[in-house]
Amino acid sequence: EAGVAQSPRYKIIEKRQSVAFWCNPISGHATLYWYQQILGQGPKLLIQFQNNGVVDDSQLPKDRFSAERLKGVDSTLKIQPAKLEDSAVYLCASSLNVGATDTQYFGPGTRLTVL
Amino acid sequence: AQSVAQPEDQVNVAEGNPLTVKCTYSVSGNPYLFWYVQYPNRGLQFLLKYITGDNLVKGSYGFEAEFNKSQTSFHLKKPSALVSDSALYFCAVRDSNDYKLSFGAGTTVTVRA
Repeated sequence: EAGVAQSPRYKIIEKRQSVAFWCNPISGHATLYWYQQILGQGPKLLIQFQNNGVVDDSQLPKDRFSAERLKGVDSTLKIQPAKLEDSAVYLCASSLNVGATDTQYFGPGTRLTVL
Repeated sequence: AQSVAQPEDQVNVAEGNPLTVKCTYSVSGNPYLFWYVQYPNRGLQFLLKYITGDNLVKGSYGFEAEFNKSQTSFHLKKPSALVSDSALYFCAVRDSNDYKLSFGAGTTVTVRA
């Protein structure tokens, strides 16, 4: 079974530039998550989708971050404009459903460096 | 709201010795507990989870974890550590009253040959 795919793996941009990350979840997984992992910290949830609807985006900085999952499969996360503090690893995860007992499976992440 | 604490930033053990990584949690409802491992430049890999039932949960790569409700703990253990177990370990909790998964800050495990 193929895992969660993410691209690019690494990205370096200047502050105030824009960047986009792509995620393809495990086939058949209805729920997709985007996390931000700052160095030395655990992952923090940014947004959660159930199929193509948003379940929770309470921790997404909506003035600069946006995400979509138009066809209920793959997803993109965009930052516009980027700030220095956005330097982090962005992890995508998926789970079969949104149930509390469901296991989330993570992709390899995209390491973003903002200069 | 749920929270999880990993009191040790680093754990160092010799190969062949037992390995324990500590985790305590706080929830208002019933806890659903998870352990993940992260190798350099890799995503998080699922190790094991506790939902209900037997307090001792067995997972991947010889790891196990013990759920202790009275101490609100879910420590990860391995009877005999390998050098290849050196990695960053995360404990995570979900409250039965909330679907959000909250992670600890992580514990770096170093197993020396």
